[in-house]
Amino acid sequence: DADVTQTPRNRITKTGKRIMLECSQTKGHDRMYWYRQDPGLGLRLIYYSFDVKDINKGEISDGYSVSRQAQAKFSLSLESAIPNQTALYFCATRGGGRLTDTQYFGPGTRLTVL
Amino acid sequence: DQQVKQNSPSLSVQEGRISILNCDYTNSMFDYFLWYKKYPAEGPTFLISISSIKDKNEDGRFTVFLNKSAKHLSLHIVPSQPGDSAVYFCAAKEQAGTALIFGKGTTLSVSS
Repeated sequence: DADVTQTPRNRITKTGKRIMLECSQTKGHDRMYWYRQDPGLGLRLIYYSFDVKDINKGEISDGYSVSRQAQAKFSLSLESAIPNQTALYFCATRGGGRLTDTQYFGPGTRLTVL
Repeated sequence: DQQVKQNSPSLSVQEGRISILNCDYTNSMFDYFLWYKKYPAEGPTFLISISSIKDKNEDGRFTVFLNKSAKHLSLHIVPSQPGDSAVYFCAAKEQAGTALIFGKGTTLSVSS
């Protein structure tokens, strides 16, 4: 089984709809992240969380919100989706400690906003 | 302004030859660098990393070189295999930083 799972894998929605993307991990990592990738661009950080009570904005948090329901779960919400939020969304996890800077990514969710 | 730059969008190499992917950065506070490989419809997969206290790190066919004075790193794949065909992302992180900063990626195509 995959260590980091994302649901749904694909979603098509309409402008103005509320959408939730979910991420679960079995790696036991404290730190979780949400990134988006646009065509021809690298991944950009939306939100991150170091534990259940710690939520922080990333580079491009406008229009998004997150919830860390448990250590293993981190969901991303688009309160009112707009077409320029069409992108690939990736969840990632990271263990604590200086020697473990590597982040491990889920398979991604392809979101299309019409 | 981009802090991590991968100036070559694509690279084509023959099987068995060396693939060299390049990455430049502008932030002198970066002290940890990573390469990720991404296949279509999958998430990025960690490949290899290097700390700024080193100038080389090897893992099998993959070697990463870091030139701090030039703010440049490169990934060498020897020998290249068709299964190496993917998008390669360079990423960097500050010691006190939170997130990885990614380049735009380079698409590697290895032909047999």
